[in-house]
Amino acid sequence: DQQVKQNSPSLSVQEGRISILNCDYTNSMFDYFLWYKKYPAEGPTFLISISSIKDKNEDGRFTVFLNKSAKHLSLHIVPSQPGDSAVYFCAALYLEYGNKLVFGAGTILRVKS
Amino acid sequence: EPEVTQTPSHQVTQMGQEVILRCVPISNHLYFYWYRQILGQKVEFLVSFYNNEISEKSEIFDDQFSVERPDGSNFTLKIRSTKLEDSAMYFCASRNSGTDTQYFGPGTRLTVL
Repeated sequence: DQQVKQNSPSLSVQEGRISILNCDYTNSMFDYFLWYKKYPAEGPTFLISISSIKDKNEDGRFTVFLNKSAKHLSLHIVPSQPGDSAVYFCAALYLEYGNKLVFGAGTILRVKS
Repeated sequence: EPEVTQTPSHQVTQMGQEVILRCVPISNHLYFYWYRQILGQKVEFLVSFYNNEISEKSEIFDDQFSVERPDGSNFTLKIRSTKLEDSAMYFCASRNSGTDTQYFGPGTRLTVL
């Protein structure tokens, strides 16, 4: 199932700089997107979401951008902090087809101090 | 802050045995989910549950699996006769009406020997 892809398995960023995590999707019916953060031995923690009717949503240091025509979304973290080091999952759902989340493979973010 | 809880954190069982994984969703949530993540693979949807019945299930969720809300607080996943390939992290999630965001528990690591 390759409907949601996170093509970068890992990303390393210096503390204080911007982290940009990318996600692509193939199913044009997806209309809601979420980012989750996951530490080892814990469950995914919700970070931020965006509806397909928007192109940007911001919450503190986290901003998600959606480009529907490119079927691409990105999560920006500014400024990055060492505590942001985790696995970040992009997930999508098609609201009229139930609420099952389709996840990407995840990107490991390492923020170096 | 309310959170989803899961027990046990780790379950080891012999192939062919029955296991029950338990979840306590966030108290005012009405929609419940099970996902699993096999080591090295994506988080994948198993089943959704609302109003005491299954809303949707994936191909993985065959006759060996069942879910139940035995009382007002617990939500369980039963695997009747475990197979080696059932070894995975199992995550419970819940959602309130009026939102599309699912909140995840810490997971149960199931090891089938």
